[in-house]
Amino acid sequence: DIQMTQSPSNLSASVGDRVTITCRASQNIDRWLAWYQHQPGKAPKFLIYEASILERGVPSRFSGSKSGPEFTLTISRLQPDDVATYYCQQYITYPWTFGQGTKVDVK
Amino acid sequence: QVDLLQSGTEVKKPGASVKVSCKTSGYPFTNYFLHWVREAPGQGLEWMGFINPSNGRTTYAQKFQGRLTLTTDTSTSTGYMELTGLRFDDTAVFYCARMGRGLDNWGQGTVVTVSS
Repeated sequence: DIQMTQSPSNLSASVGDRVTITCRASQNIDRWLAWYQHQPGKAPKFLIYEASILERGVPSRFSGSKSGPEFTLTISRLQPDDVATYYCQQYITYPWTFGQGTKVDVK
Repeated sequence: QVDLLQSGTEVKKPGASVKVSCKTSGYPFTNYFLHWVREAPGQGLEWMGFINPSNGRTTYAQKFQGRLTLTTDTSTSTGYMELTGLRFDDTAVFYCARMGRGLDNWGQGTVVTVSS
């Protein structure tokens, strides 16, 4: 199975800060990576697909990128509503696998 | 609009089975694969498998082979997830999700508690 490793596991930032979460796969997944936001008590929300394409309706402060084997989710200006756990997920091969999650909160 | 509505909370004893439903609306049911994902307490998201509603073909994570059965009823646009031989560590929130460009629409989640 492909292992997905996210870092950091937790981060705390101020409203308006730029926040970056990274994700690495244990083998090549090309650009078959998605990002999800999961807030407590809610269903996960689909943010980004194919590493960098923003899903319709997702605020433009969210962006995704790929550099070599590393994938990045960036929140350009953190908002209180962005408090959540964020997951990367590969979908190049089954079983699909998620990263362990990055919990983001606001200072 | 697209909606996935799951069945309610379940409490089961070890060794029992659970069947969770996922009633969809707002899109052509057979055009999109239906996936199932769970989140155990303190754990992250875990992909379980998916079904192609147009032909009933399934793919399961090896971890759930032999215990997991995914089915659909195209007449009601509903998917079902049945997990047998429940163990304490199967306690989780189970989600169905539609595969568009990614898992773009999710059910609200079904809490399954395994307790003696």
